[in-house]
Order: sequence, then C-alpha cells, then structure tokens
Amino acid sequence: AQKITQTQPGMFVQEKEAVTLDCTYDTSDPSYGLFWYKQPSSGEMIFLIYQGSYDQQNATEGRYSLNFQKARKSANLVISASQLGDSAMYFCAMRENYGQNFVFGPGTRLSVLP
Amino acid sequence: DVKVTQSSRYLVKRTGEKVFLECVQDMDHENMFWYRQDPGLGLRLIYFSYDVKMKEKGDIPEGYSVSREKKERFSLILESASTNQTSMYLCASSLLGSARGQGNTIYFGEGSWLTVV
Repeated sequence: AQKITQTQPGMFVQEKEAVTLDCTYDTSDPSYGLFWYKQPSSGEMIFLIYQGSYDQQNATEGRYSLNFQKARKSANLVISASQLGDSAMYFCAMRENYGQNFVFGPGTRLSVLP
Repeated sequence: DVKVTQSSRYLVKRTGEKVFLECVQDMDHENMFWYRQDPGLGLRLIYFSYDVKMKEKGDIPEGYSVSREKKERFSLILESASTNQTSMYLCASSLLGSARGQGNTIYFGEGSWLTVV
C-alpha cells in the first residue's frame, strides 16, 4: 500500500502567488516525522521543512509552511510569494519511528509562471 | 557543511557489464541508503545499511547488491546491468535513531545518472 500520496503530478502558479502542494500519508506508528524536499532540474535533493507527529504547531521555514492535519493524515506544503526559482519537483517523505527508512511520495512538479 | 558525495554523475554502460556506484558521507551517519528515482514513481529504496557490513533490502533489491566495509562508504553494485536499470540513483545518509526531530533528516548526494545500452 502506498504510504505517501501526492495527488498532483504537476502544478502551475503565478509568480508572487501562494501555492499548496498536497501530501497524505498512512502509518500506524504514533511517532513519525514528515519532511518536504525540493529537487531542481540539476538533481540534488534540498531539505525544506520538517514536522514531527507530536508537534503542536505547524512548522514554518521562511516562505515554506506545513499545514499539518494529523487526524486527516495530511501534511500539505504551502509556499508563499512564489519565485521563479521555486520551479522544481517537490517530494513529501515520512520516517516512522520503528524503522530507519524514509518513504517518499511520487512528487509534484511545480512550475512558476512569470 | 554536510556532504554526501557520489563518485560518478553520469555513466553509460553496456548490457551485462558490472557497474559500481560509490557513495561517501562525511557526517559520521550510521544509516546509508540507495534509492532509485524514475519519473512518476518517486524515490524507491533499493537497499539501506545501518552499520558497517549490515544491509537491509528495500522495495526493489532485485538485480542489485551493496557493500559497506567502512562507515562512511556505501557502494551499489549492478552485477549484470540491464536496460531496465537505466535510471537516476541517489545515495543518502541519516542518523540512526528516533524519527522525531529535524536533525534526523536524510541528506542526499547529487545523484548518478546511469544509462544502460
């Protein structure tokens, strides 16, 4: 069964607007971490933001914020004030406490339009 | 600055060749991983290792083997390369331990683009 689902294969957003990238996950482990990564066309994976399952507040890192809805098992990434350099693939990932592995979703390709 | 280095960025190999992809990390991480990335499929785990000489199969281990003789080095081996192994391969490392905490994130190398002809 797919543990991480990203239902948007591709998204477009106008420069300077906000965009939300969806991520839902499936786990029975009460303790887990959720991560978002950005992959530009050059290929490197860049860590963006982290949310712990017991964190009371939604994580924020600059223009990135994570809309964490634990009961719905969703961890959507919100990018505010999009920039042309935000055009990339975005991956949602989860690490469960009982394992050491990171499970990734299929990714969403974001294109920022000038 | 944290660093995961993959030895080859681009490789072209012939069907049936033995292929070695090397990865080195300088963060003293216990865990190391090899992922394969294909369009529409995201990252799929091939193998991971949580200690020297230890290895665990991931989701798609068939056709691959790994070697971890030193803590900082994790090698992926394609014993007999096939065209369906044409892909991008990502090495990564992380700390051993709890899933909680941003410090337990995973760090990636730049990727190795392998073409098997």
